[in-house]
Amino acid sequence: DIQMTQSPASLSASLGETVTIECLASEDIYSNLAWYQQKPGKSPQLLIYYANSLNDGVPSRFSGSGSGTQYSLKINSLQSEDVSIYFCQQNYDSPYTFGAGTKLELK
Amino acid sequence: QVQLQQSGAELAKPGSSVKISCKASGYTFTSYAMHWIKQTTGQALEWTGYIAPGSGGTKYNEKFKGKATLTVDKSSSTAYMQLSSLTPVDTAVYYCARGRGHYFDYWGQGVMVTVSS
Repeated sequence: DIQMTQSPASLSASLGETVTIECLASEDIYSNLAWYQQKPGKSPQLLIYYANSLNDGVPSRFSGSGSGTQYSLKINSLQSEDVSIYFCQQNYDSPYTFGAGTKLELK
Repeated sequence: QVQLQQSGAELAKPGSSVKISCKASGYTFTSYAMHWIKQTTGQALEWTGYIAPGSGGTKYNEKFKGKATLTVDKSSSTAYMQLSSLTPVDTAVYYCARGRGHYFDYWGQGVMVTVSS
């Protein structure tokens, strides 16, 4: 199985700050990487697919980048509604595996 | 608009089975795979498997073979997941999610399955 190592596990940032979350795959996943946001008590929601494509309706302050085994999610100008857990997921090979999540809080 | 409406919470005894449902609306049910994802209280997400509603074809995570059985009822645009031989390890929230390729663009609200004697 492809292992997804996500970092950091938790992150505290101030409003307006820029934050970056990293995801490392145990092998090349050829940009088949998605990012999800899960707000407290809610279902995950798709933010980014194919490493850098923004899903419909997602604010442009979210962006994804990376290739090979290394990927990142960047949030510019942090807003209060961005407090969530963020997960990466590889959809290159079955079983489709997730990172352990990054809990983003406001400082 | 696309909606996935899941059935209610389940409390089950060890060794029993439960069958949870996911009713799709707002799109052509047979055009997209339906995936199922397990989330434990520790927040970890695990992909369980998917079913292609048009053909009924399935693909399972090896870890869930023998545990989960995926079916659909095309007439009601509803997908089902049956979990068998339940143990406390199966206690989790289970989501259905529409597949776009093998990522998930719409999710149900989740079903809490609690296994306890």
